[in-house]
Amino acid sequence: DAGVIQSPRHEVTEMGQEVTLRCKPISGHNSLFWYRQTMMRGLELLIYFNNNVPIDDSGMPEDRFSAKMPNASFSTLKIQPSEPRDSAVYFCASSPDRAGQPQHFGDGTRLSIL
Amino acid sequence: GQQLNQSPQSMFIQEGEDVSMNCTSSSIFNTWLWYKQEPGEGPVLLIALYKAGELTSNGRLTAQFGITRKDSFLNISASIPSDVGIYFCAGLDYQLIWGAGTKLIIKP
Repeated sequence: DAGVIQSPRHEVTEMGQEVTLRCKPISGHNSLFWYRQTMMRGLELLIYFNNNVPIDDSGMPEDRFSAKMPNASFSTLKIQPSEPRDSAVYFCASSPDRAGQPQHFGDGTRLSIL
Repeated sequence: GQQLNQSPQSMFIQEGEDVSMNCTSSSIFNTWLWYKQEPGEGPVLLIALYKAGELTSNGRLTAQFGITRKDSFLNISASIPSDVGIYFCAGLDYQLIWGAGTKLIIKP
């Protein structure tokens, strides 16, 4: 079975540019989560969706960050404009339901903003 | 807010040794999860615990859900080189609350 698929695996871009990260959750999973991981702050939940609807975006750091889930098999996390402090590994995870079920992670996108 | 205290932060052990790490919380959780993360990859679920007092094994890994529902431990027996990585505990309510991780390093 295919796991959570993220693209690209690596992204290097200059500050000020728009960055779009993509995620395909596991088929049949109703919940999707975007995380950011840094050495300083560890794993931080940015936003999560249930049945394609954003439920909690309190972890989104600034208005420069936005996330969409147009259908059950695709989500994007966009940063516009990007800044060097956005450099991190961004993970997408999915789970079968909103509560009580473990999340399964993709391999992440390593983002470097120069 | 909810916080998890995971210890130790890192462990340097010899191959073949047993490993023990734990997580404690100020809050009660209904589910405890243990993940392992290797370089360049996302966290991978190792063990899920759903009931207070539950003891679950997965090969050489054993984890327990504390009776108070505020703690959990993970043991690895007879460590091997491929056990290296960062181990995370997580308490699951309606979202995951993560520990800071235990980095396991195995001395050759």
